[in-house]
Amino acid sequence: DVKVTQSSRYLVKRTGEKVFLECVQDMDHENMFWYRQDPGLGLRLIYFSYDVKMKEKGDIPEGYSVSREKKERFSLILESASTNQTSMYLCASSPLAGHEQFFGPGTRLTVL
Amino acid sequence: EDQVTQSPEALRLQEGESSSLNCSYTVSGLRGLFWYRQDPGKGPEFLFTLYSAGEEKEKERLKATLTKKESFLHITAPKPEDSATYLCAVGTGTASKLTFGTGTRLQVTL
Repeated sequence: DVKVTQSSRYLVKRTGEKVFLECVQDMDHENMFWYRQDPGLGLRLIYFSYDVKMKEKGDIPEGYSVSREKKERFSLILESASTNQTSMYLCASSPLAGHEQFFGPGTRLTVL
Repeated sequence: EDQVTQSPEALRLQEGESSSLNCSYTVSGLRGLFWYRQDPGKGPEFLFTLYSAGEEKEKERLKATLTKKESFLHITAPKPEDSATYLCAVGTGTASKLTFGTGTRLQVTL
C-alpha cells in the first residue's frame, strides 16, 4: 500500500512566522504535490514536483515555496504566514503523469 | 481552461436507496478521470480511474462510468458507512496535474 505521511495533523502559528510542512512517501513516486482545501473552493494546487530539485507552480503559488532535496520528501514553506493561509493542506504523490495521486492525511493549519 | 463540475452539492439518502452522483467536465485531451472518497478531516482516498468513454469500474456498492462529457458514480443500496464527500478529478495533457471538482457530500441515514 502506498503511504503518504505528513508531519503534523494540526498546527497553530502566528502571523509572520515561517512555517514548514513536511511530506514523505514510501513508494518511490516521481511526482509529489501540495494542495490546499477550503470549503466551497475544493482542492487547489499550490506546487508540484516531478523530480528531485525540480518544482513547478500550481494554480495558487503566491506566498508559498517548496523544497525537494530527496525523492521521498517534499516540503511546503510559508515564508511569512498570514491569516488567509489558514486551511487544510494536503500532500499527494503519483508514479507517472496521468496516473492516480495518493494523498496524505492532511495538516489543518491555523494562523492567528 | 479545464473545468470540472459536480452535482448535486449534497445528497441525503436512506439506507438502501440507490442514486447517482454526476461529474461533468470540459477539458482538452483527457488523460484520465479519477474518483476519490473523503471523510471529514482526512485526506482523499482513491477509488477509481477511468480512461476512455464506455469504461466502467466497480467496487462493492460503487460503480463508476464514463462518457465523453461526464462521469457517474452509481451507489447501489448504500449504507451509513458510505457517507462521505465524493470528489471527481481530471488529468489532462502531458502534465501530472489533476483538476478537482468541489465534491458531492453524501449522507446515508438509517
